Amino acid sequence: GAVVSQHPSWVICKSGTSVKIECRSLDFQATTMFWYRQFPKQSLMLMATSNEGSKATYEQGVEKDKFLINHASLTLSTLTVTSAHPEDSSFYICSASGGAYVEQYFGPGTRLTVT
Amino acid sequence: GENVEQHPSTLSVQEGDSAVIKCTYSDSASNYFPWYKQELGKGPQLIIDIRSNVGEKKDQRIAVTLNKTAKHFSLHITETQPEDSAVYFCAFRSNDYKLSFGAGTTVTVRA
Repeated sequence: GAVVSQHPSWVICKSGTSVKIECRSLDFQATTMFWYRQFPKQSLMLMATSNEGSKATYEQGVEKDKFLINHASLTLSTLTVTSAHPEDSSFYICSASGGAYVEQYFGPGTRLTVT
Repeated sequence: GENVEQHPSTLSVQEGDSAVIKCTYSDSASNYFPWYKQELGKGPQLIIDIRSNVGEKKDQRIAVTLNKTAKHFSLHITETQPEDSAVYFCAFRSNDYKLSFGAGTTVTVRA
């Protein structure tokens, strides 16, 4: 099956700093990548959809200037949380689809803690 | 986004028994229905999926049934094992290729 990786798996940062999370599709070309946020004991909330080479489409209520998404290649998308605050602490998960895979395959997630 | 209702929110079963989780969706244009298993601290793992032109699909101990008329689909796990303990999410996809997720079911298999 398709393999998606994320880096880092966890990160702690100070309030006001920026954090970048990488999402890679390891064995297929992901034409579309999705970024989700998940709070404890809750479901996945879609933040944005990105297609390779074009601007991301953000869900209602998600600040595009705060959550910068770049999908520069068919195997890499990045999410940058700018000027992070404690309320941004969450589990961020990416998923990817494309090529032979119409399904969405998820990465292992990144635990962000903002102090 | 579109809504999907998932029940029950928690499910405790004895090892060897079956577990059933049900989801109801609202968008009649939905055409793809995946199920994900999420273990603590990990990302969701696709365990089975079904498309709208099929009524049932089985993969070893896991099966999914779809009733398009009633707009509901179910996950069936037979002969449950302790390693089946996890949170399970149903989802559906409509024409915009986004997935809408249920609230999740925490399954506990008692040894």
